[in-house]
Amino acid sequence: GAVVSQHPSRVICKSGTSVKIECRSLDFQATTMFWYRQFPKQSLMLMATSNEGSKATYEQGVEKDKFLINHASLTLSTLTVTSAHPEDSSFYICSALGGRGDYGYTFGSGTRLTVV
Amino acid sequence: DAKTTQPPSMDCAEGRAANLPCNHSTISGNEYVYWYRQIHSQGPQYIIHGLKNNETNEMASLIITEDRKSSTLILPHATLRDTAVYYCIVRVGTAGNKLTFGGGTRVLVKP
Repeated sequence: GAVVSQHPSRVICKSGTSVKIECRSLDFQATTMFWYRQFPKQSLMLMATSNEGSKATYEQGVEKDKFLINHASLTLSTLTVTSAHPEDSSFYICSALGGRGDYGYTFGSGTRLTVV
Repeated sequence: DAKTTQPPSMDCAEGRAANLPCNHSTISGNEYVYWYRQIHSQGPQYIIHGLKNNETNEMASLIITEDRKSSTLILPHATLRDTAVYYCIVRVGTAGNKLTFGGGTRVLVKP
């Protein structure tokens, strides 16, 4: 079945540094990927829609200069958290459209980011 | 996409059927009902979806009322591994449409 690999699963970084999270569709091509953020005990909040070969579309309130998204190929989208601060600590999850015939989405396993 | 309403939490006994309700009274004719679940510290997992007919797969059954204003996800024989947050999402079933998550139902399966 459709598999989305997200890496790293866990990362700790110092305040002010940047962190890159990768999301790969392993056995299908994903023209569209989505990035979510989830704080403890809360639901998933959509951050942005990533389209292969074009600029990402960000949800209202999400800083595009802070959360850089690149979708350079049909199997890879990356999210870079720039100049990370402790308030950016969260669970980041990607999902990809494709690999299913029912317009369902396949999710990565998530990345736990801790900024110290 | 239509908004959904789910109870925030529910408990169920291991081995028994778990019935998870979802209200979507403003659903449009071209919107599907999708169910996903999220086990702690993992990404969401697709369970099932439907338009107006009842659906069944290896994981669950989906019962949609005739007026489509509500639905029920049925886990026929709940196991401890079914403990998770279950999300009911209504969206137009075409490529590119984003998934918007509500609060979901936190299901705790007890031995």
